[in-house]
Amino acid sequence: KQEVTQIPAALSVPEGENLVLNCSFTDSAIYNLQWFRQDPGKGLTSLLLIQSSQREQTSGRLNASLDKSSGRSTLYIAASQPGDSATYLCAVRGNQGGKLIFGQGTELSVKP
Amino acid sequence: GAGVSQSPSNKVTEKGKDVELRCDPISGHTALYWYRQSLGQGLEFLIYFQGNSAPDKSGLPSDRFSAERTGGSVSTLTIQRTQQEDSAVYLCASSWALAGGLNTDTQYFGPGTRLTVL
Repeated sequence: KQEVTQIPAALSVPEGENLVLNCSFTDSAIYNLQWFRQDPGKGLTSLLLIQSSQREQTSGRLNASLDKSSGRSTLYIAASQPGDSATYLCAVRGNQGGKLIFGQGTELSVKP
Repeated sequence: GAGVSQSPSNKVTEKGKDVELRCDPISGHTALYWYRQSLGQGLEFLIYFQGNSAPDKSGLPSDRFSAERTGGSVSTLTIQRTQQEDSAVYLCASSWALAGGLNTDTQYFGPGTRLTVL
């Protein structure tokens, strides 16, 4: 059974810092991995999707990497801003069907 | 066009009542998913539709939960005889799916329905 773990559970940093969020998964037979952002009381916003054959994806200040064999992904946020404060969720899709298995999330707070 | 929409945004009900939650996916998306988010369990998959059929219902927690999708578009999640442990935010997502039913694409989520069972 696939399990997804995110570390740390919470993170507080001053504005301008670069930071890394970690995601690990127990079954390396994944189809893709997706990073989401969730603001309080809101739904999920997709940030990046990495296919199993890819090593990384970039969008603006965000860079996500994937090491499928070791069961790890990282989300790198450059030059953090207070507007980046949210909960970040990592989710993996297996090779059967489309369901996503989510980690518990990392709650990020960027202080001005 | 517009994103995934869900209604109602909030629902308060009494234990034992039935509730219906609605999801309108992004136009043209053939795959539709229901998830549940609760404090103790995080975000859990419930059911997945490809068109009007549900190839994966493995996440439905009990036979009180059912879902249908009509016209390859709108979906309704029904919870019968609600219990307090059903209180959660119910999220719907949609995505494109390839002809073979495989989905490699981003899932787009709606804002959710917050269900409170008193």
